[in-house]
Amino acid sequence: GAVVSQHPSRVICKSGTSVKIECRSLDFQATTMFWYRQFPKQSLMLMATSNEGSKATYEQGVEKDKFLINHASLTLSTLTVTSAHPEDSSFYICSAMKGQRSYGYTFGSGTRLTVV
Amino acid sequence: TQLLEQSPQFLSIQEGENLTVYCNSSSVFSSLQWYRQEPGEGPVLLVTVVTGGEVKKLKRLTFQFGDARKDSSLHITAAQPGDTGLYLCAGARPGNTPLVFGKGTRLSVIA
Repeated sequence: GAVVSQHPSRVICKSGTSVKIECRSLDFQATTMFWYRQFPKQSLMLMATSNEGSKATYEQGVEKDKFLINHASLTLSTLTVTSAHPEDSSFYICSAMKGQRSYGYTFGSGTRLTVV
Repeated sequence: TQLLEQSPQFLSIQEGENLTVYCNSSSVFSSLQWYRQEPGEGPVLLVTVVTGGEVKKLKRLTFQFGDARKDSSLHITAAQPGDTGLYLCAGARPGNTPLVFGKGTRLSVIA
């Protein structure tokens, strides 16, 4: 199977600090990973597409300087929320694509970020 | 623009009833996936449909992909409280492109 590990599952940070969220593909290589944000009782909203070894592609309205994405290896992508504010509090989910099949997506278990 | 229209958004039914969730689009997808998500967790894949007209069954859940690969439905027979959750449909396109998600259907099955 394809397993994606996301860490941490929960994090509370003070306003103004930065938080890093890791997304690892445990048993496969993921050339492409995706980062989503989910507000309460809503669907997933795509933030950015992360390709190994290149810059991430951000969706319209997502600040690339605030949400730094690094995909330095085929098994790890990180999302850093810089200078976090309470409005950044949300559920962040990563997804990794195995190969190039149109049905090879696996999701992490999500990270609940609370900025106080 | 919501590329995948999912309906209904909310559904509250009694245990034992049947229900159908619909996912419609004007776009053609390579495949369509259905997920179920519990609070505080990531989406868990239920099924992937790839071929137009395909029907897949998972116990009491029946998934169908439209002939033109633009729409899909999820039918649950004799719903149980354990079926409660957020159901998401997502369409995939060729290449390393992200899934297109519907808005989700929040199902509540009351015992």
